Amino acid sequence: TAGITQAPTSQILAAGRSMTLRCTQDMRHNAMYWYRQDLGLGLRLIHYSNTAGTTGKGEVPDGYSVSRANTDDFPLTLASAVPSQTSVYFCASSDAGGVDGYTFGSGTRLTVV
Amino acid sequence: GIQVEQSPPDLILQEGANSTLRCNFSDSVNNLQWFHQNPWGQLINLFYIPSGTKQNGRLSATTVATERYSLLYISSSQTTDSGVYFCAVELSVDDMRFGAGTRLTVKP
Repeated sequence: TAGITQAPTSQILAAGRSMTLRCTQDMRHNAMYWYRQDLGLGLRLIHYSNTAGTTGKGEVPDGYSVSRANTDDFPLTLASAVPSQTSVYFCASSDAGGVDGYTFGSGTRLTVV
Repeated sequence: GIQVEQSPPDLILQEGANSTLRCNFSDSVNNLQWFHQNPWGQLINLFYIPSGTKQNGRLSATTVATERYSLLYISSSQTTDSGVYFCAVELSVDDMRFGAGTRLTVKP
């Protein structure tokens, strides 16, 4: 089934450690996104990539970095995790400029302790 | 920045009832989407609707861009409709802002 795969599904991480959340799509969508979802705040954009080789900052980029080496993969890295990064992280993709809207992955639940 | 307000924040329905969810936004947008997040956390795109009306089975949506609001209609609700419904407005292709959502509970 075509879509977005995120890994891991959940993780408990010690504060100060680094971690990379993985995201892979098989729809050949140009654009990819990382969101975090916190209770009462909806989803907020962390970083985005309009096409392979380019990335940009979203609404809440601090403490996170991304790369887009190819069309399919868009990993999100926390260099030194802090408890405020405890959240559910969603990766999404879209055929930018198309009419199908966004497709979301199943999410990664991250707890920083 | 743009404000995206959804109402009501919570809604409890009896199975078979109809409902209307509202999304107001404070500025012009390129596009608008409605999503359903099921109780397991999965986000599903329901409608991609910058203007006009679309229907998909028991669900339909209307966006009036000039008046900066969108409505999601759910008819003959079922327990599987439970979850959180999000409205998201697209400021540009790389900037989509979400509302805080409407939590719907459909009771059997």
